[in-house]
Amino acid sequence: GAGVSQSPRYKVTKRGQDVALRCDPISGHVSLYWYRQALGQGPEFLTYFNYEAQQDKSGLPNDRFSAERPEGSISTLTIQRTEQRDSAMYRCASSSTYTDTQYFGPGTRLTVL
Amino acid sequence: GQNIDQPTEMTATEGAIVQINCTYQTSGFNGLFWYQQHAGEAPTFLSYNVLDGLEEKGRFSSFLSRSKGYSYLLLKELQMKDSASYLCAALTNAGKSTFGDGTTLTVKP
Repeated sequence: GAGVSQSPRYKVTKRGQDVALRCDPISGHVSLYWYRQALGQGPEFLTYFNYEAQQDKSGLPNDRFSAERPEGSISTLTIQRTEQRDSAMYRCASSSTYTDTQYFGPGTRLTVL
Repeated sequence: GQNIDQPTEMTATEGAIVQINCTYQTSGFNGLFWYQQHAGEAPTFLSYNVLDGLEEKGRFSSFLSRSKGYSYLLLKELQMKDSASYLCAALTNAGKSTFGDGTTLTVKP
């Protein structure tokens, strides 16, 4: 594709449900990043991958959050047993290598009721 | 650890020049990004500085001093469409990025 795509664009769920957020990076990009962005703040690093290997997951808030990129392309961020405090914009970015420019997707707006 | 500081808000007049500063304290620093983000949209790339000095790209320029942990974004000939949030982000050698909270720039006629 021409750019990074994310789905769904909007997700409303009830507290306690699991959600899976998908990111499709720019074709050929080695590195893929997940961020969470609250209103009025900059993106907060969650985790990143080079190919299928998760390089750093230090930003994942707790063990309810996990991410995978099994074939080194599409990635899924999963949040189990969602809580209201998980409500935020979740953004994905990709870059050709881990020290290159990151290109952001449109984000998934998650609302936990 | 990682720490990024930039002013919360700035206001400037159309046609003027504005400088947005960013200071960082980053272990294993590799380079400094600047992104523009309009309300409700994704951040879009403006510049990436790895070496000290000024890099110019049209109306936008970015400066880096690695020894001082300091960068700035210079916007010339301001236009109304430049009203947005400007994010600086430090990238480490391990590939981790830390973003500041952004500077909201308002351009007035």
